[in-house]
Amino acid sequence: SQKIEQNSEALNIQEGKTATLTCNYTNYSPAYLQWYRQDPGRGPVFLLLIRENEKEKRKERLKVTFDTTLKQSLFHITASQPADSATYLCALGGSSASKIIFGSGTRLSIRP
Amino acid sequence: EAGVAQSRRYKIIEKRQSVAFWCNPISGHATLYWYQQILGQGPKLLIQFQNNGVVDDSQLPKDRFSAERLKGVDSTLKIQPAKLEDSAVYLCASSLNQGLNTGELFFGEGSRLTVL
Repeated sequence: SQKIEQNSEALNIQEGKTATLTCNYTNYSPAYLQWYRQDPGRGPVFLLLIRENEKEKRKERLKVTFDTTLKQSLFHITASQPADSATYLCALGGSSASKIIFGSGTRLSIRP
Repeated sequence: EAGVAQSRRYKIIEKRQSVAFWCNPISGHATLYWYQQILGQGPKLLIQFQNNGVVDDSQLPKDRFSAERLKGVDSTLKIQPAKLEDSAVYLCASSLNQGLNTGELFFGEGSRLTVL
């Protein structure tokens, strides 16, 4: 069955450092991969989308890579700030008729 | 632009009772999703509509859960009878289309259900 794993339940890093979150998947060939941010008590908010034919995507301090050979995506936040503290979810989408499935998320804490 | 609207944020019921959740997607969004998110887990898709037709309901416990999207706009998700394990946040999301162009989901704030 399709499986998505995000590297750890929680990640704590010092402000100013780069946070790197991992998303691995098995038994799936996604056409694209998305990253969402979720704050406590709120719905997820879309951050970035990267397609299978793209290696890297950037948006301000965010960078996403997508390696379809390794079946892995890395999500980087550079110059991290306490305001970046949240849970980050990766999600995979296939063909236009397929559903979007989510990983369990990584809770990121940035300490001042 | 108004976001995805969902019914009351918190609902508490006893097991075997029924409960319903309502969702109004972003205007013009053809695809509507209901996700269940149990504490500490990622959202799990329950049902996906394209306009008023069901695209995927493979993980919907059909013996107790039902959903409809009349007229291809608003949607209602019902649980009857509720079980303790149904305690979760029920998230509604919508997207402009299902295609490869976007796939971006816009989520509502969610409705937290507690079954006692």
